[in-house]
Amino acid sequence: SQKIEQNSEALNIQEGKTATLTCNYTNYSPAYLQWYRQDPGRGPVFLLLIRENEKEKRKERLKVTFDTTLKQSLFHITASQPADSATYLCALTGGSYIPTFGRGTSLIVHP
Amino acid sequence: NAGVTQTPKFQVLKTGQSMTLQCAQDMNHNSMYWYRQDPGMGLRLIYYSASEGTTDKGEVPNGYNVSRLNKREFSLRLESAAPSQTSVYFCASIEAHNQPQHFGDGTRLSIL
Repeated sequence: SQKIEQNSEALNIQEGKTATLTCNYTNYSPAYLQWYRQDPGRGPVFLLLIRENEKEKRKERLKVTFDTTLKQSLFHITASQPADSATYLCALTGGSYIPTFGRGTSLIVHP
Repeated sequence: NAGVTQTPKFQVLKTGQSMTLQCAQDMNHNSMYWYRQDPGMGLRLIYYSASEGTTDKGEVPNGYNVSRLNKREFSLRLESAAPSQTSVYFCASIEAHNQPQHFGDGTRLSIL
């Protein structure tokens, strides 16, 4: 069956460092992959979308890579700030055009 | 620009009661979705509407019904609430299939 895995353990890092979050998948042929941010008590907010034929996408301090051979996406936040603390969700969309979400990884940036 | 609006924000029900969760979007999006989010389970799709006039089941549709009232509004109904339906419910909309989803801020539903 299709499976999306994100690290269930919280990622704790110091302010100024680069945070790297991982999204692995199996039994899936995604057309594109998205990353969302979710704050407590709020709905997810879209951050970046990367297509299957793209290796890397950047937006300000954010960078996403997509390796369809390894079946993995990495999400990087450079020069992290306490305000970046949140839960980050990855979502994959295949031929059905219905996104499937991972369970999310909590990021905590310490000042 | 409100985006996706969900009402109510909080609700407590007794087992067996019914209620309808409302969702409206002002972005003229074609597709709308209902998810539930439970601790450790992530977002799970309940129902979706690819376009006005169509609805389809998602991963966990049992115990729910939906209505796509018009292009703006997509409601989720619990006919006979059960404690297992205690969750946070999110509505989302999308302009086209390769575009990001826009989410509301959720309805927190407790069923006693």
